[in-house]
Amino acid sequence: QKEVEQNSGPLSVPEGAIASLNCTYSDRVSQSFFWYRQYSGKSPELIMSIYSNGDKEDGRFTAQLNKASQYVSLLIRDSQPSDSATYLCAVNWGNQFYFGTGTSLTVIP
Amino acid sequence: NAGVTQTPKFQVLKTGQSMTLQCAQDMNHNSMYWYRQDPGMGLRLIYYSASEGTTDKGEVPNGYNVSRLNKREFSLRLESAAPSQTSVYFCASSVQRENYGYTFGSGTRLTVV
Repeated sequence: QKEVEQNSGPLSVPEGAIASLNCTYSDRVSQSFFWYRQYSGKSPELIMSIYSNGDKEDGRFTAQLNKASQYVSLLIRDSQPSDSATYLCAVNWGNQFYFGTGTSLTVIP
Repeated sequence: NAGVTQTPKFQVLKTGQSMTLQCAQDMNHNSMYWYRQDPGMGLRLIYYSASEGTTDKGEVPNGYNVSRLNKREFSLRLESAAPSQTSVYFCASSVQRENYGYTFGSGTRLTVV
């Protein structure tokens, strides 16, 4: 059984703080990991991908991967109210992506 | 560049009615997918097509059929709609290379009464 787990939240942070979102997955075979952002009533949009152990930075976003611990995280620095959304973790196994249920983030002005 | 286009955006069906959800992508992607999203359940894969001419079942295929009409188009059919199929349906496509994610359509909100 391939599973992707996230804390559903909600996670609330003040504007300007660092938001930390976490994800664990069940199968060590996976090679690719993704973070999607989904605003209410909208479709998911890809914000980060990572496939090597360590950190990957893109602007205010940093994805962290630890394959030994089967753990992937997303850090959002200098959080803005526009970052308020649900963040979905996705893991690629073969031809399919498996999604977590998402973490709801609210950034408080 | 339209990306992934889904139609319709909203639909209300009566139990037992049939309908087809349409999806088309203009990014020359090989793989296409249909997901449903329900509160607390996340995105669940219904069917996917790794390449033109192939389709495979995902996690929740019962009550659905699909057709990969050509490389661009992948349709999802509900033959006899049930209230349990009330959901938001997303079509997605991908290149199927490592480190490439999905591009999603805007979704279809389906209500079965």
